[in-house]
Amino acid sequence: AQKVTQAQTEISVVEKEDVTLDCVYETRDTTYYLFWYKQPPSGELVFLIRRNSFDEQNEISGRYSWNFQKSTSSFNFTITASQVVDSAVYFCALSGSPGLKRNTPLVFGKGTRLSVIA
Amino acid sequence: GAGVSQSPRYKVAKRGQDVALRCDPISGHVSLFWYQQALGQGPEFLTYFQNEAQLDKSGLPSDRFFAERPEGSVSTLKIQRTQQEDSAVYLCASSSTGGDYEQYFGPGTRLTVT
Repeated sequence: AQKVTQAQTEISVVEKEDVTLDCVYETRDTTYYLFWYKQPPSGELVFLIRRNSFDEQNEISGRYSWNFQKSTSSFNFTITASQVVDSAVYFCALSGSPGLKRNTPLVFGKGTRLSVIA
Repeated sequence: GAGVSQSPRYKVAKRGQDVALRCDPISGHVSLFWYQQALGQGPEFLTYFQNEAQLDKSGLPSDRFFAERPEGSVSTLKIQRTQQEDSAVYLCASSSTGGDYEQYFGPGTRLTVT
């Protein structure tokens, strides 16, 4: 069975601080995908990143960076110089490898609520 | 282009009533997913369609939940004889199968059963 654990329920930081959101996953699949989504107070899930299991390169996008470590089954997300607009619930998710012309559902963690205080 | 839309955005039902929630996926997306998100939790998978075929309904919590997508586009999630534990946000997502497997989510329908 697949499982995603986000141990941090809530985090509060002061604006401009860096913050890392942890994600640990479990799967027996050899090929899988990892995701991060942002859910602002409006409620809509916003896609941030997708990573496949064969690509362990870290990725940076502006103030966002992701660290994928297969050896520890972790896919952590860092926000540098946090801003008030970063306040949201962040979800890590896992899916199996899509088959030919078929997709697979996402398994989500419980989310981490990030509050950035001005 | 237009994203995934869901209606209604909010629904209040009395216990025992039947409800129907609608999802309009992104045009051309063959895959459609329904998820249930309880308060303070992550979304949980309910069911999956590929075109009009319901390929996976393993996440439906009881036989009171029923989903359909008769023409491979719009989908409806129906809950019969609603219970208080059905109160949640119901999210719909769609995706293509052309290599971009990202699931695009709608705004959700918040169901409150009183």
